[in-house]
Amino acid sequence: GQNIDQPTEMTATEGAIVQINCTYQTSGFNGLFWYQQHAGEAPTFLSYNVLDGLEEKGRFSSFLSRSKGYSYLLLKELQMKDSASYLCAVRDSNYQLIWGAGTKLIIKP
Amino acid sequence: ETGVTQTPRHLVMGMTNKKSLKCEQHLGHNAMYWYKQSAKKPLELMFVYNFKEQTENNSVPSRFSPECPNSSHLFLHLHTLQPEDSALYLCASSQDLDRTYYGYTFGSGTRLTVV
Repeated sequence: GQNIDQPTEMTATEGAIVQINCTYQTSGFNGLFWYQQHAGEAPTFLSYNVLDGLEEKGRFSSFLSRSKGYSYLLLKELQMKDSASYLCAVRDSNYQLIWGAGTKLIIKP
Repeated sequence: ETGVTQTPRHLVMGMTNKKSLKCEQHLGHNAMYWYKQSAKKPLELMFVYNFKEQTENNSVPSRFSPECPNSSHLFLHLHTLQPEDSALYLCASSQDLDRTYYGYTFGSGTRLTVV
C-alpha cells in the first residue's frame, strides 16, 4: 500500500529552527508537496520538490531525497504565526496526491 | 480570500436531513475535488471532476452525491448521514489533473457535525 509518515506533533521555541520530516512509500513519484494549515482555515501551498536537493523560499526550505523516500521542511526564525499543521503529500505515478496525516507544530514564546 | 469559496462554514444536521455543500472558484481551473478531513487522519479524496466530468469516485457511500454544473461550481449533496461522517469537508481546485505543479488551491472547508 501507499503510505506517508510524519510526526503527529512537534513543539519549538520562537526564534528557533525546526525540521519536520516526511517519509513515503508510494507507487511511483511525481513530486512532493508541503502545505500549511492553520486551525479552521484552508491548507495553503508552501513548496514543491521533484528533484533531489534543497529548495529555499525565505524562512522555509524543503529538502527531497528520492532514493531514501524522504523529505523535510525546515522552518527558520520561528514566529508565533507559524503555529499550524504541516501536511506532506506525494504525487504518485497516476498523478494522485497521497497525503500524510499532518504534523501539528506548536510554537512557544 | 483563497480563490476557492465554500459555504456554509459550519453545518449541523440530523441523520434524516438533506443538505448541500457549495464550492465556487474563479481561478479558471478545470479540475475540482472534494476531500474529507478527519482529526489526525490523512486527507481522504472523495470525488474528482475535470471539465465538469466526474473522473474519480473513491468508493464513497451513496449518501454523498456530488454535482458539478460547470467548471466553477461544485456541490456535495448530503442525505441520511451517519455520526461518523462528521468532519471537515474541503473543496480544492487545480489548473487540470496533471499539471498540478503549484498544487491545489483549497477552500476553508465546511465543518460538518451529524447529530
